[in-house]
Amino acid sequence: GENVEQHPSTLSVQEGDSAVIKCTYSDSASNYFPWYKQELGKRPQLIIDIRSNVGEKKDQRIAVTLNKTAKHFSLHITETQPEDSAVYFCAASVWGADGLTFGKGTHLIIQP
Amino acid sequence: ETGVTQSPTHLIKTRGQQVTLRCSSQSGHNTVSWYQQALGQGPQFIFQYYREEENGRGNFPPRFSGLQFPNYSSELNVNALELDDSALYLCASSQMGRSYGYTFGSGTRLTVV
Repeated sequence: GENVEQHPSTLSVQEGDSAVIKCTYSDSASNYFPWYKQELGKRPQLIIDIRSNVGEKKDQRIAVTLNKTAKHFSLHITETQPEDSAVYFCAASVWGADGLTFGKGTHLIIQP
Repeated sequence: ETGVTQSPTHLIKTRGQQVTLRCSSQSGHNTVSWYQQALGQGPQFIFQYYREEENGRGNFPPRFSGLQFPNYSSELNVNALELDDSALYLCASSQMGRSYGYTFGSGTRLTVV
């Protein structure tokens, strides 16, 4: 089955700086890669996703890059703000054939 | 457009008992998947239902079972509860064949004592 590794487990950055979270996956059949933000006690919220036919996707301050050959994908947050503080999860799946396999999460802390 | 709703929000059960959790999918979504999230961990995929049939399953024993109804809502049943079953159970819905993306509910917090 799929295995997703996520690093780092904790990331502390100064407000206004950029944050990068990296994930690797094992199943070359995976073709859908979402990123979720989860605040304490709340549901995971989809912040951006990418499919395997695309190498990069951007939505305002958030971007995701995918390297299918190396089987890794990354989340980039620019101009970080205090409200970006949360736990971020990457995930991978074969869309339509199975559920999501999640990484263990990254606790992002934005220092004022 | 209604979101994904789960009930109950919290539940306390005794080891060995059985529990049923419920999920109503987002309007227009035809697929429901269930996840178990232990404290401080990422969600773990339990199983997924599409057109009332299980079409994917994670590494969970048979005492975890489910149903999907014609209106696409779903139930998760867990028999012979164990202490390690204590977790947040999340339901997510999606629209297979039309668009990408899963929408999660707020979850049911299950405590087994």
